[in-house]
Amino acid sequence: GQQVMQIPQYQHVQEGEDFTTYCNSSTTLSNIQWYKQRPGGHPVFLIQLVKSGEVKKQKRLTFQFGEAKKNSSLHITATQTTDVGTYFCAGLATSGTYKYIFGTGTRLKVLA
Amino acid sequence: DAGITQSPRHKVTETGTPVTLRCHQTENHRYMYWYRQDPGHGLRLIHYSYGVKDTDKGEVSDGYSVSRSKTEDFLLTLESATSSQTSVYFCATGDGLDQETQYFGPGTRLLVL
Repeated sequence: GQQVMQIPQYQHVQEGEDFTTYCNSSTTLSNIQWYKQRPGGHPVFLIQLVKSGEVKKQKRLTFQFGEAKKNSSLHITATQTTDVGTYFCAGLATSGTYKYIFGTGTRLKVLA
Repeated sequence: DAGITQSPRHKVTETGTPVTLRCHQTENHRYMYWYRQDPGHGLRLIHYSYGVKDTDKGEVSDGYSVSRSKTEDFLLTLESATSSQTSVYFCATGDGLDQETQYFGPGTRLLVL
């Protein structure tokens, strides 16, 4: 079946350093979403990418969707302690359904 | 956050007992989902609903059933709970438009002894 893997599983960075998490799907995706989950909280939607090669930015966060629509990345510039949490990607394999497959997540810890 | 509530928020039960978790939404969203979250596995879809009385299986549906008799309520039932079903369960909703966002509830922590 379809699998969505994320690397790294964990990342510790010093405050002010950059951070990147990568999401790789075993199949071509119709779109991909990114979510953030704070410790003890629930996932919160960040963004959706639909087009091949698409790049979107939200302040210090940059999201990319690969040309082949099988991979994606989230890059955070100059991390802050408020960035702490687990970042998940979620891929939609087939348009017309709403069955998203979530990645395994990357847990980010920011050291002040 | 969307108006999604889950009940109970915490539950401890014994192996073999039935358990029902409730998800309630006030957003009139068409789509509703049940996920379980376990360390190292991320979020895995159990069942989802695309309308009243319309449901479909996700990737880890064995041992679970769902019902949706009203737009606002989506119930998840563990017919006979097992220790492997100890997990955090999240409900989510989506309005089903092209730019669908999934809105998650606060989660239910279930411990099966």
